[in-house]
Amino acid sequence: DSGVTQTPKHLITATGQRVTLRCSPRSGDLSVYWYQQSLDQGLQFLIQYYNGEERAKGNILERFSAQQFPDLHSELNLSSLELGDSALYFCASSDAGTGTHIQYFGAGTRLSVL
Amino acid sequence: AQKITQTQPGMFVQEKEAVTLDCTYDTSDQSYGLFWYKQPSSGEMIFLIYQGSYDEQNATEGRYSLNFQKARKSANLVISASQLGDSAMYFCAMREVGNGANSKLTFGKGITLSVRP
Repeated sequence: DSGVTQTPKHLITATGQRVTLRCSPRSGDLSVYWYQQSLDQGLQFLIQYYNGEERAKGNILERFSAQQFPDLHSELNLSSLELGDSALYFCASSDAGTGTHIQYFGAGTRLSVL
Repeated sequence: AQKITQTQPGMFVQEKEAVTLDCTYDTSDQSYGLFWYKQPSSGEMIFLIYQGSYDEQNATEGRYSLNFQKARKSANLVISASQLGDSAMYFCAMREVGNGANSKLTFGKGITLSVRP
């Protein structure tokens, strides 16, 4: 168990809908990262938050947004969903204080857009 | 831009034998970190091993070791005494420390390993 909790594990929804993915980082980790894994694109970095502030953005669509709350949990919001958004979404957290920035991943949320 | 290359096709190994999974990387940074993750069929991403670019010794974690050849920009994962539970997809990833607070990982496409009994 990595200590990173993601909910829900599975999500099935229709095109045009909006969903929220939730992530609780490991105790003490201030950084949260979101990644998308799809068959055609592989594992892609979406966005990083550190202690409530956005730190870096990757290939995140404008329809997607995220935030990190004061208790350090994070949410990834996906709106106007398209078939191509079907993927496995991972949250990871790391402890910047270690210097290695090892990222520990949650079990992922598998999103299916029908 | 940083890049990770994993080009091996699906790999097969006999149980109890050792196997090497290849990874090459490209970066213009002097300071970076290299990671290997395991993704079993259940889908979760499991951290295996880390190597810093300034680490003089190759990293080891139990049955996992990282064969780090800086001049060749390779970071191969060696799994000794393979077990059936090692069957999974393995990803090599890199973080460029020069990005400061940006700690994103860049992943390779992964290698599928199958362990035969």
